[in-house]
Amino acid sequence: QVQLVQSGAEVKKPGSSVKVSCKASGGSFSSYSLSWVRQAPGQGLEWMGGIIPIFGTTHYAQKFQGRVTITADESTSTAYMELSSLRSEDTAVYYCARSFGDYQYMDVWGRGTTVNVSS
Amino acid sequence: QSALTQPASVSGSPGQSITISCTGTSSDVGGYDYVSWYQQHPDKAPKLLIYDVTNRPSGISNRFSGSKSGNTASLTISGLLTEDEGIYFCCSHTYGGTGVFGGVFGGGTKLTVL
Repeated sequence: QVQLVQSGAEVKKPGSSVKVSCKASGGSFSSYSLSWVRQAPGQGLEWMGGIIPIFGTTHYAQKFQGRVTITADESTSTAYMELSSLRSEDTAVYYCARSFGDYQYMDVWGRGTTVNVSS
Repeated sequence: QSALTQPASVSGSPGQSITISCTGTSSDVGGYDYVSWYQQHPDKAPKLLIYDVTNRPSGISNRFSGSKSGNTASLTISGLLTEDEGIYFCCSHTYGGTGVFGGVFGGGTKLTVL
């Protein structure tokens, strides 16, 4: 059964960038797409973007276009999400989730990475 | 890509049934049979309950069922258990034109089992 292991919590200053990793173990990486979803404190889920590793294609929600970059390293079964120009509103838990097809649904989730943006 | 609309809260008694709605547009819920539902407990990652409108992953109780009519999808939970308390999110595949597509979530519905 595949598991997604995310990197640890981060504390960042406004204006800086953060890069979160998500390593898949115990299953196929390339056969699926991979989504990044965030959740601000007390708020709902927000789809940020995703990648289809086998094609190397990325897709981003309009809200994050220009500020988020999603990449994947098939050799290590690891995906990355980098968010730049951080502001306090980016404080959230960031999840990676294995997705089926064109992000039709997310069946395996990482445990989340807390990113705290504070001066 | 506006968020899908869900009621903020619903409640029910043990053994009862409840339904949570999820309203979108023809660019998401109404345009694709790719609606999924997730359950989230405090400080936990979301858990997939329903995918492709009506399908349950292996291990999910048949007390959970999904449906869709037009631009509105619904999740029904029958035989409520106290452990069903949590927040429920719908999600739909969406296509915004010019090759931009992905997912969009609803705002979440808090279920209280009285």
